[in-house]
Amino acid sequence: GQQVMQIPQYQHVQEGEDFTTYCNSSTTLSNIQWYKQRPGGHPVFLIQLVKSGEVKKQKRLTFQFGEAKKNSSLHITATQTTDVGTYFCAGWSGGSNYKLTFGKGTLLTVNP
Amino acid sequence: ETGVTQSPTHLIKTRGQQVTLRCSSQSGHNTVSWYQQALGQGPQFIFQYYREEENGRGNFPPRFSGLQFPNYSSELNVNALELDDSALYLCASNPASSTQQYFGPGTRLTVT
Repeated sequence: GQQVMQIPQYQHVQEGEDFTTYCNSSTTLSNIQWYKQRPGGHPVFLIQLVKSGEVKKQKRLTFQFGEAKKNSSLHITATQTTDVGTYFCAGWSGGSNYKLTFGKGTLLTVNP
Repeated sequence: ETGVTQSPTHLIKTRGQQVTLRCSSQSGHNTVSWYQQALGQGPQFIFQYYREEENGRGNFPPRFSGLQFPNYSSELNVNALELDDSALYLCASNPASSTQQYFGPGTRLTVT
């Protein structure tokens, strides 16, 4: 079955440093979504990428979708303490049988 | 606009028992999905319901079953509980036009 792998599992940074998490799928994806889960909270949707090679920005966050639509990345510039949480990618292979597959996530901690 | 709500918040059950978890979809959403999130892991897709029919299923045994009602609320039933069923159970809804998941706060199930 489809697998979505994410690295690194953990990342600790000093406030102001940059952060990147990478996501790889075993199969070609129709779309990839990114979610953020704060400690003790639930996943909150950040963005969806659909097109090959797509790049989207949200303030300090930059999301990329690979040309082969099998990998993606999330980059945060100049991290802040409010960025703390676990970032998940989730891929959908498409088709009529819906199944969204999440990666294991990257836990980001930020030292002020 | 009312978001996704889930009940109960926490639940403790004994191995072998049965449990029912409940979810109310966000207003205007006719599709609901259920996920299991073990500690330190990403959400794992259990199944999705659209128009009261199961529209997709993950790798979960038949003792995990669900229902969707005409008002788009939903139930997750788990029979013959096992210790490994201890997890956060997340309900998510979306409109039929989108795969973006709007998650509820979750139900923390502990099986002893």
